[in-house]
Amino acid sequence: GENVEQHPSTLSVQEGDSAVIKCTYSDSASNYFPWYKQELGKGPQLIIDIRSNVGEKKDQRIAVTLNKTAKHFSLHITETQPEDSAVYFCAAINNAGGTSYGKLTFGQGTILTVHP
Amino acid sequence: EAEVAQSPRYKITEKSQAVAFWCDPISGHATLYWYRQILGQGPELLVQFQDESVVDDSQLPKDRFSAERLKGVDSTLKIQPAELGDSAMYLCASSFVDSGDTQYFGPGTRLTVL
Repeated sequence: GENVEQHPSTLSVQEGDSAVIKCTYSDSASNYFPWYKQELGKGPQLIIDIRSNVGEKKDQRIAVTLNKTAKHFSLHITETQPEDSAVYFCAAINNAGGTSYGKLTFGQGTILTVHP
Repeated sequence: EAEVAQSPRYKITEKSQAVAFWCDPISGHATLYWYRQILGQGPELLVQFQDESVVDDSQLPKDRFSAERLKGVDSTLKIQPAELGDSAMYLCASSFVDSGDTQYFGPGTRLTVL
C-alpha cells in the first residue's frame, strides 16, 4: 500500500519568514495530494490540494509543488503569521481509473510554530 | 458553509464498556469515512461507506468495532467492549462522490478509556 513520509516533524519560524514542509510518497499511481491544517482539539481542515496533472498550485500565501518523477510534494507558506501555528498533514491517494475505493494515506504531521 | 457534524465531542468511559459515536456528513455527500487519530500521528482510515454500503473496512477491528450507515446519510461507529488502547480522536469525513474528491472532516470525538 501507499506510504507517505513527512519532514520535518517540528518547524519553528519567526513571523514573516517562510515555512516549507516536504512529503514523499511510494505509490507512483497516486494522483491526488491534499494538505490539511489541524488546530488543537479540532478536525483537519483542507488548506490546499494538487492533482497529478499539475506541477504547482498557489492560493494567496500558500503554495504546493509536485514532482511526480521524484514522488515528492511540498507545502510552502510565505509571510507566516502566528495564526499559522498548527499541525500540518500531507496526504496522498491513488484513485486511478476512477475507482471509488482508493484510501487517503496521511503523513505523520509537522508541528509548525510561528513566533511573533 | 456546510460542515460535518459529530457527537459527542468528548467521551470518557471505562474499559469493557460500550461507546458509540455519531456523524452527520455534509448534505449530498455520498461517501463517508471514519478515521482514528492517535495523538501525534496522522488519521488512519477505519471504514469507508459509499452510500449505505461498506467499501473498505480492512483496518476496522471487527471483533469490537462496528459501523453502520443504514439510510446512506448519517452514520454510527460503535466500540464494544472498549479497551485502553482505543483512546484516540475519532474523526468522521465526507466527500461528494468518491475518495478522489476532497474529504471534509468533522471536529472529531475525543475518546478516553480509563
